[in-house]
Amino acid sequence: ETGVTQTPRHLVMGMTNKKSLKCEQHLGHNAMYWYKQSAKKPLELMFVYSLEERVENNSVPSRFSPECPNSSHLFLHLHTLQPEDSALYLCASSHGSGVKVFGPGTRLTVL
Amino acid sequence: QKEVEQDPGPLSVPEGAIVSLNCTYSNSAFQYFMWYRQYSRKGPELLMYTYSSGNKEDGRFTAQVDKSSKYISLFIRDSQPSDSATYLCAMNRAQGGSEKLVFGKGTKLTVNP
Repeated sequence: ETGVTQTPRHLVMGMTNKKSLKCEQHLGHNAMYWYKQSAKKPLELMFVYSLEERVENNSVPSRFSPECPNSSHLFLHLHTLQPEDSALYLCASSHGSGVKVFGPGTRLTVL
Repeated sequence: QKEVEQDPGPLSVPEGAIVSLNCTYSNSAFQYFMWYRQYSRKGPELLMYTYSSGNKEDGRFTAQVDKSSKYISLFIRDSQPSDSATYLCAMNRAQGGSEKLVFGKGTKLTVNP
């Protein structure tokens, strides 16, 4: 595998479910990000991890919980989501120059 | 005023046309400017990257930055159906993992054969 991979690619969940999104980067980068992409809105930065420490949390509701166990893996744990949380969730990584490489995203639908 | 403004389109052109995509911004501290291309059901991929003002050319693509007008452009020459995608402009003040990258909404482009 090369680049940034994300699983699952599609997820449908009810509001009472708990699920996790997974991201893995194979680029040797030291920073990882979660973004939310909704229709007709700019990409919204959710979380930033640099050297496995969370350095930014952009006022994201607590029903989203990130985890970065090492520099190659990033998770987004989801619980009691709302229908308005339905979106494409993108993981990205970067190093040095700050140019971000994105994964393919997880298309999330909350019923 | 939003930090980055980008016309969402959609924009539809015939094959071979010259395409011009644009973004305006309000924060004069932005120095690094990027264009990402996003195909349907895929994540954004970096297409062009420029620092400060000026032009940068890569094959059929030219990125232009005018800091005095706070205006950036992406030109696509001899457009192809494979160029059909959403194009996102993005910019930030400095490089570094935690520096916030600000995106436009994206312009959806369709190149018709």
